[in-house]
Amino acid sequence: EDQVTQSPEALRLQEGESSSLNCSYTVSGLRGLFWYRQDPGKGPEFLFTLYSAGEEKEKERLKATLTKKESFLHITAPKPEDSATYLCAVPNAGNMLTFGGGTRLMVKP
Amino acid sequence: IAGITQAPTSQILAAGRRMTLRCTQDMRHNAMYWYRQDLGLGLRLIHYSNTAGTTGKGEVPDGYSVSRANTDDFPLTLASAVPSQTSVYFCASSPAGGAKNIQYFGAGTRLSVL
Repeated sequence: EDQVTQSPEALRLQEGESSSLNCSYTVSGLRGLFWYRQDPGKGPEFLFTLYSAGEEKEKERLKATLTKKESFLHITAPKPEDSATYLCAVPNAGNMLTFGGGTRLMVKP
Repeated sequence: IAGITQAPTSQILAAGRRMTLRCTQDMRHNAMYWYRQDLGLGLRLIHYSNTAGTTGKGEVPDGYSVSRANTDDFPLTLASAVPSQTSVYFCASSPAGGAKNIQYFGAGTRLSVL
């Protein structure tokens, strides 16, 4: 069964304190990994897609990396506006997305 | 550009009542999806449609039905609501069906069944 696990469930950082969020997965044949950002009261918003181990993508203070078993979302010198829930998802055997439970990030000024 | 519009924004519903959640997109996307989001469980797929006139079951379809009469609209109906259907419901769309396509989400409908 395809599974996606995100850790930690919640993360509190001071502004400027870099850290990483983890997304580990077990799927039969990786066909990509998606990262989304979700602000309170809103729907998820697409951030990145990674397709192969070793691939990296960056957007402002965020960098996503992918290995054969997990993905990391690195946040460098975060700002309060980076506070959100970050979701990862992978295509499953039914060609639909399986989402992880998310990491709720809070960045204090 | 509105993207995806969901209505209502929130609703309190008595158990046993029928309810239709509305979803409209203006991006001419072929595929549309309904998810529910519950604390600790993440987003779970209820139903999907890869093109107008076709629908499919997701991970948690029981108690829900959908229709796709045209490209733009994808309503979700709870025939007889139960408290376990209390959740936040998100509609999404993508240019084509299949998990490799980026999905665009609406703002959600918060539903409480009492």
